[in-house]
Amino acid sequence: DTEVTQTPKHLVMGMTNKKSLKCEQHMGHRAMYWYKQKAKKPPELMFVYSYEKLSINESVPSRFSPECPNSSLLNLHLHALQPEDSALYLCASGHQQPQHFGDGTRLSIL
Amino acid sequence: TQLLEQSPQFLSIQEGENLTVYCNSSSVFSSLQWYRQEPGEGPVLLVTVVTGGEVKKLKRLTFQFGDARKDSSLHITAAQPGDTGLYLCAGTGGATNKLIFGTGTLLAVQP
Repeated sequence: DTEVTQTPKHLVMGMTNKKSLKCEQHMGHRAMYWYKQKAKKPPELMFVYSYEKLSINESVPSRFSPECPNSSLLNLHLHALQPEDSALYLCASGHQQPQHFGDGTRLSIL
Repeated sequence: TQLLEQSPQFLSIQEGENLTVYCNSSSVFSSLQWYRQEPGEGPVLLVTVVTGGEVKKLKRLTFQFGDARKDSSLHITAAQPGDTGLYLCAGTGGATNKLIFGTGTLLAVQP
């Protein structure tokens, strides 16, 4: 069982849709992360939140918009995505580095 | 730019064989982690090594951090089908202290 919970597990959306990915952890970790992972490749860092503040944005296009409502929740809002954005989106949490990963949301853009 | 190169990229072996995965860089890392990721799941942290020359064992898995803290290895003894997955090393260091993932090693253990 993973201690980082991500929903939904799968998402199919059109390029004009708006959707959100959600991530939740109750381990008291103050750092939360979003990663993008293509098949058989390592995860690529997108965003880091530390103490609910955005601390790192790895030059991610504005069609991805992160949000951290509180210390346990992390969202990723999606709008006008492109087919190349299809990937596994992973959330992670930790005290200073990612220690626990969720099982990800498998996103497909039509 | 800090880079972590893993070798081999792919490895397919029979159950019972031994194997070693390497993680190399020209940069020094303050710590290095190893993860295993199974299909349909997120990476699971196996170990963190922080001291140059450190060796850690986790059942049939032996992890070593290089003396200069630029490289690491993972040795699996008597591999089992349950060891199948993507193995990722990841290092922390540098001005940003970000976690840098290696290029990954995809292991398949055939029964």
